[in-house]
Amino acid sequence: NAGVTQTPKFRVLKTGQSMTLLCAQDMNHEYMYWYRQDPGMGLRLIHYSVGEGTTAKGEVPDGYNVSRLKKQNFLLGLESAAPSQTSVYFCAAGELAGAGDTQYFGPGTRLTVL
Amino acid sequence: ELKVEQNPLFLSMQEGKNYTIYCNYSTTSDRLYWYRQDPGKSLESLFVLLSNGAVKQEGRLMASLDTKARLSTLHITAAVHDLSATYFCAVDMWEYGNKLVFGAGTILRVKS
Repeated sequence: NAGVTQTPKFRVLKTGQSMTLLCAQDMNHEYMYWYRQDPGMGLRLIHYSVGEGTTAKGEVPDGYNVSRLKKQNFLLGLESAAPSQTSVYFCAAGELAGAGDTQYFGPGTRLTVL
Repeated sequence: ELKVEQNPLFLSMQEGKNYTIYCNYSTTSDRLYWYRQDPGKSLESLFVLLSNGAVKQEGRLMASLDTKARLSTLHITAAVHDLSATYFCAVDMWEYGNKLVFGAGTILRVKS
């Protein structure tokens, strides 16, 4: 059981380049989340998905897009990277918020935008 | 706007001492989570608190929730070096679209 995995682990982009981060889970959870972590700010929710084919905006969605074509995968895209998107990105999976289940986090992707 | 405030943000303590980390939040919720993060690593779930008065204990850590005061505490008893990490609380805003809102984190350093 791998839990939640993320690809890639590290990436350096130039301003204006695009990329996609992949999150995969093998726990059959309905909900998946993308967060970014910046020093001194905790984790902030970018987008989330309540099931296959659905997505919703979180706290800081601007500059990002997501897709959930398969239940086990949640993709985060940056169409035109900016230095302000330099961060550590975490994917998480869990059940319905409010059901009392915790979220399970992936190992993170460290992204630097030059 | 929901705010989740942790204090202190940095805590340096001697082995064997006790201390408490506080997590205050600005709106009603009866679900709160505590996570641990080691440097360069992911977040690990520590406690899930689901009702007013809930208390959970694991080893030297004990977490509690007072929903009326909108306050959760993480108490450390007889600290050891292995507890050095960053601790986050997160409030479950499930009524507002299934979101967790995180505090900024408390960096704990336990000195030998």
